[in-house]
Amino acid sequence: GAVVSQHPSRVICKSGTSVKIECRSLDFQATTMFWYRQFPKQSLMLMATSNEGSKATYEQGVEKDKFLINHASLTLSTLTVTSAHPEDSSFYICSARDTSDPYNEQFFGPGTRLTVL
Amino acid sequence: LAKTTQPISMDSYEGQEVNITCSHNNIATNDYITWYQQFPSQGPRFIIQGYKTKVTNEVASLFIPADRKSSTLSLPRVSLSDTAVYYCLVGFYSGNTPLVFGKGTRLSVIA
Repeated sequence: GAVVSQHPSRVICKSGTSVKIECRSLDFQATTMFWYRQFPKQSLMLMATSNEGSKATYEQGVEKDKFLINHASLTLSTLTVTSAHPEDSSFYICSARDTSDPYNEQFFGPGTRLTVL
Repeated sequence: LAKTTQPISMDSYEGQEVNITCSHNNIATNDYITWYQQFPSQGPRFIIQGYKTKVTNEVASLFIPADRKSSTLSLPRVSLSDTAVYYCLVGFYSGNTPLVFGKGTRLSVIA
């Protein structure tokens, strides 16, 4: 199947700093990418849908000024957590769909563990 | 999107067959049933998808009754490495429509 990568896999930062997470589709073009957040022992929660060349669509309750999403190309989307605080510590997972895939499968990255001290 | 209900957790011994049932009473005509597996600190992985009757692949089988209001994921002869969370998703996903995850079933396989 198609491969989605994320970088970094793990990051620790101080409170108040900003952190950027990259999501890449390695062997396919993804018009749409999705960002999820997962707290311990909980399910994945959709944060936003990222469309190449246009503004991201955020889910209710997700602050767009805090979680900046840029989908500049068909293979790259970035999530920047601005002014991170300890409550932002979570597992962030990106996902992408190959729009040419007739089965519409959604592929997931390995996740990025963010710890804010 | 159809609401899904599945057991919160299940335990099984190695070598046994595990069946996880998912209820989705308000499934729509165009909806597919998809199961994902997630290991700790990893992204979810697609297991199987079906529309009706039975689907089988190298990993699992999916049984869907005629009324499609439920489905059962069957894992044959589980091993310790099958310990994971299993999510049942029901919907017609394409283009910009993201997968929406419920609580999932935490399967623990013990020796």
